[in-house]
Parts: sequence; C-alpha cells; structure tokens
Amino acid sequence: DIQMTQSPSSLSASVGDKVTITCRASQSISSYLSWYQQKPGKAPKLLIYAASTLQSGVPSRFSGSGSGTDFTLTISSLQPEDVATYYCHQTYSTPSFTFGQGTQLEIK
Amino acid sequence: QVQLVQSGAEVRKPGASVNVSCKTSGYIFTNYYMHWVRQAPGQGLEWMGLIDPTGVTTSYAQRFQGRITMTSDTSTSTVYMEVSGLKSEDTAVYYCARFRGYFGYDYWGQGTLVTVSS
Repeated sequence: DIQMTQSPSSLSASVGDKVTITCRASQSISSYLSWYQQKPGKAPKLLIYAASTLQSGVPSRFSGSGSGTDFTLTISSLQPEDVATYYCHQTYSTPSFTFGQGTQLEIK
Repeated sequence: QVQLVQSGAEVRKPGASVNVSCKTSGYIFTNYYMHWVRQAPGQGLEWMGLIDPTGVTTSYAQRFQGRITMTSDTSTSTVYMEVSGLKSEDTAVYYCARFRGYFGYDYWGQGTLVTVSS
C-alpha cells in the first residue's frame, strides 16, 4: 500500500499568516492527490483535487501544488474559519486509496 | 441538488453485524462510484472500499476483506455497507462519499455513528 505522510501533525498560526501543510507519498502518485478540510462533527469537505485544482466554491486563499511524491497545501492568509483538520488523500493506487494522518490547524 | 443521506446511529454488541445505508438523490446514480470511509473517535480518516453503482464491482481495503460487504440498489439509488464480526475497535463514524475519480470526493453523507459495546 502507498503510505501518505503529512507534516506537521498539528500547527498553530495567527490570523493572516501563510500556512503550509505537506504530504509525502511513499511512491509516485502522479497528481492523484486531493485535500480535504474537516471541522468537528462534520463530514470532510473537498478543497483541492488533481493536486492543484481548486474545488468550486472554495476560497482562493487555498492552493495546492506538487506531483509525484511531494505535495503542499497552502493557505495564503489564515482566517478564523480555517480552524479544522486537513487531510491529503491519494487515489492513484487501487484498491487502496490511503489518507494522510491529518494536520490539526489552530489559531494562535 | 445532490444529496447523500445515511441511516441513523446504531449500537451493536461485539460479534454482531451492522448494515449502513446511503440513499442518494439529485444526480444520475449510475454515473458515479461510491466509496466508504470511516473515522474512529479522535482519529483520522480510513478508506474502507468502493462499489460501482450497478453493484457488479467492489473492492475492499485488505484489512476489511471478509468482514465487509458493499451492495447497491439502482431502483432506490441507495448503496449499503454491511460490517460483520464487529469489535470495539469498529466503533466509528462511517461515511459514504461520491467518487469523481481524479477529481476526488465531491459529496459526502452526513455520517453514521456505529457503537460496538457489550
């Protein structure tokens, strides 16, 4: 199975800061990488697909980049409503579509 | 509008089985695969498996092989997942999610809490 490793596992930043979360795959997954935001008690929400394409309706402060094994999710200017846990997810390797372990983002 | 509505919370004893449903509406059911993902309390997301809408093709994560069965009913646009041989470690929220392939999971059910306790 392809392992997905996110870092950091938790992060505290101030409103307005630029935030970067990284995700590394144990082998190349091309651009078959999505990012999800999950708030407590809610289902995950798709932010980014195909590594860098913003899902419709998602604020433009969110962006994704990378291909192969290394990927990043960037929030250009952190807002209070961005407090959540973020997950990367690969859909390259059937039939085991693994998630990263998550990054918990808090406001400082 | 697209909706995935899951069945309600369940409580089961160890060794029992549970069947979770995911009723869809607002789109052509046969155009999208459905995946199931679970989340234990305080833990991350875990991919469980997938089913094509006709029910012909299923694929399960290796750790669940032999314990889960996914089915589909095109007449009601509903998918089901049965988990058997429940253990306390299966206590989790179970989600269905519509799969757009390269484009990720664009719609999710609201989640179904399954509690396994003696």
